[in-house]
Amino acid sequence: NAGVMQNPRHLVRRRGQEARLRCSPMKGHSHVYWYRQLPEEGLKFMVYLQKENIIDESGMPKERFSAEFPKEGPSILRIQQVVRGDSAAYFCASSPGLPNTGELFFGEGSRLTVL
Amino acid sequence: AQSVTQPDIHITVSEGASLELRCNYSYGATPYLFWYVQSPGQGLQLLLKYFSGDTLVQGIKGFEAEFKRSQSSFNLRKPSVHWSDAAEYFCAVVPLYSGGGADGLTFGKGTHLIIQP
Repeated sequence: NAGVMQNPRHLVRRRGQEARLRCSPMKGHSHVYWYRQLPEEGLKFMVYLQKENIIDESGMPKERFSAEFPKEGPSILRIQQVVRGDSAAYFCASSPGLPNTGELFFGEGSRLTVL
Repeated sequence: AQSVTQPDIHITVSEGASLELRCNYSYGATPYLFWYVQSPGQGLQLLLKYFSGDTLVQGIKGFEAEFKRSQSSFNLRKPSVHWSDAAEYFCAVVPLYSGGGADGLTFGKGTHLIIQP
């Protein structure tokens, strides 16, 4: 299965701990996007990355959140000092880059619960 | 500001009945248009997309959508729903002035489809 792989699928953290969410894009895809989904809400764009570059992070909270997509390995969304409001489903999506049509391929998400 | 509106938060349809889910957008020009489906506990799967050409597009699972420029709408339809269609449906748009890239992708808040036996 060469789909978008996210792990962990479920993550429980206590307030103040760190959460790391990983995403491996589809084979051949060089663009990665992170979205957050809150209950009863649609998907909110967080960040768009290409290998080793952050292209657009306009949807990322200014503090505690960071993302990277290294040359080797998966993309990582890192949330430091988690708070209850961070509880959500975090989805990663990838695209091939070219042609850049806006079509995305989604992973199954990582569901973060903050106690 | 650009926006995508799905007016119906929940829709209940009897199995075998027809379905129409509404989507309206506000942009200065015709964007790229998408419908995604999300089953419980799953990620999003692309149902269909419109870039240009024929305004009636066919998708997977028997779904279709019609782009109406005059109404700024891209409603999703299915002639006869099955119990397995119960899911969350998201309309999404990418404005062409963004270069069409997915970093400009904006989602509606979704419509939750319930299928009655």
